[in-house]
Amino acid sequence: NAGVTQTPKFQVLKTGQSMTLQCAQDMNHEYMSWYRQDPGMGLRLIHYSVGAGITDQGEVPNGYNVSRSTTEDFPLRLLSAAPSQTSVYFCASSRRPSGSSSNEQFFGPGTRLTVL
Amino acid sequence: DAKTTQPNSMESNEEEPVHLPCNHSTISGTDYIHWYRQLPSQGPEYVIHGLTSNVNNRMASLAIAEDRKSSTLILHRATLRDAAVYYCILPYNQGGKLIFGQGTELSVKP
Repeated sequence: NAGVTQTPKFQVLKTGQSMTLQCAQDMNHEYMSWYRQDPGMGLRLIHYSVGAGITDQGEVPNGYNVSRSTTEDFPLRLLSAAPSQTSVYFCASSRRPSGSSSNEQFFGPGTRLTVL
Repeated sequence: DAKTTQPNSMESNEEEPVHLPCNHSTISGTDYIHWYRQLPSQGPEYVIHGLTSNVNNRMASLAIAEDRKSSTLILHRATLRDAAVYYCILPYNQGGKLIFGQGTELSVKP
């Protein structure tokens, strides 16, 4: 099992450029999510998905789009990059959580994005 | 949403036990208490979770207060590799989302 993989590891963009951060998992997990982490701060939830075809917004969704066409993949799109989006981005996955149980989430190694 | 409060930082000596506290006074009856940690330059990793009873695994122990308004993560013998930011989290009870706070930065001295 590769677990949760993210590409690229590093990326530099100019303001206004678009790009897609890739996230894939091979554990057949239904739940996937994207976080960003700014220097010296905790992780903030951007978007999440509870299954293929279903996505929802987290704490800081503005400026980001997601889609979930397959169970394995959950790409994060920046439509028009801004310097405020300079951050480290983490993808995570788990079995489908519910209110009466709890599942461990697995995190990818992160993508370090700089927007000039 | 139930919220957690943790000290910003703690120090420990190598080979000694470490008790990392977390207050969650607004916890609901169905909220599990999760602990994750983040080593430098890595993504977070799961440590342990529990609901009411104390829990043990190969990494740590979780002691939960009887009223569930606080919990303590116990590392029985800290090593230099345990230096990390430790997050106490109550997954949002609709969907199990993990909402991270600031966590406790643990430093371990040799």
